[in-house]
Amino acid sequence: QQQVKQSPQSLIVQKGGISIINCAYENTAFDYFPWYQQFPGKGPALLIAIRPDVSEKKEGRFTISFNKSAKQFSLHIMDSQPGDSATYFCAATPTGTASKLTFGTGTRLQVTL
Amino acid sequence: DGGITQSPKYLFRKEGQNVTLSCEQNLNHDAMYWYRQDPGQGLRLIYYSQIVNDFQKGDIAEGYSVSREKKESFPLTVTSAQKNPTAFYLCASRIRGEQVEYFGPGTRLTVT
Repeated sequence: QQQVKQSPQSLIVQKGGISIINCAYENTAFDYFPWYQQFPGKGPALLIAIRPDVSEKKEGRFTISFNKSAKQFSLHIMDSQPGDSATYFCAATPTGTASKLTFGTGTRLQVTL
Repeated sequence: DGGITQSPKYLFRKEGQNVTLSCEQNLNHDAMYWYRQDPGQGLRLIYYSQIVNDFQKGDIAEGYSVSREKKESFPLTVTSAQKNPTAFYLCASRIRGEQVEYFGPGTRLTVT
């Protein structure tokens, strides 16, 4: 019940295209859903996050769509650029002082010219 | 500059040796975390600490040990009992009670 399932494992998108990464969870206690971006040899950096009281959050070219009833959320990268080539992790966590993040297995995105 | 520092960036050890990875933060965060990253497996939690002098095992604590003597520091020791220690190790921290977690740059450990 603690798992977060992420797909696809890898993704190749042409420059200017839309990249879509999907995640699904089972634990209904999760109430914070961040996405992290990681470049090779670096630590993950928080990209964007959403709470279940909204169905969509947009920051620049990055949008999270959230479907509470289906227990799914996705990251959309509009107008994908070569600089977006990285590994993306979804995660989820419940509220609480001792809460821990549960991560998806990651999606390696390559944006080609 | 505020942030999380991990040293060294690359670490090489012979099998059978214990090795300690450093993690320091000057963000005044209460909670600190150690993760292990292997290709295709995402981030797996090794140990975490909510306050000084207290820490809990994560999902894959066997073969690892930690200490939390200072708020700013959370070193991880990879012992000879860890069967497959070669991996990328990430330290993270957050304000206790908040959900945003910040990561350090990582240490790549290679054991031969």
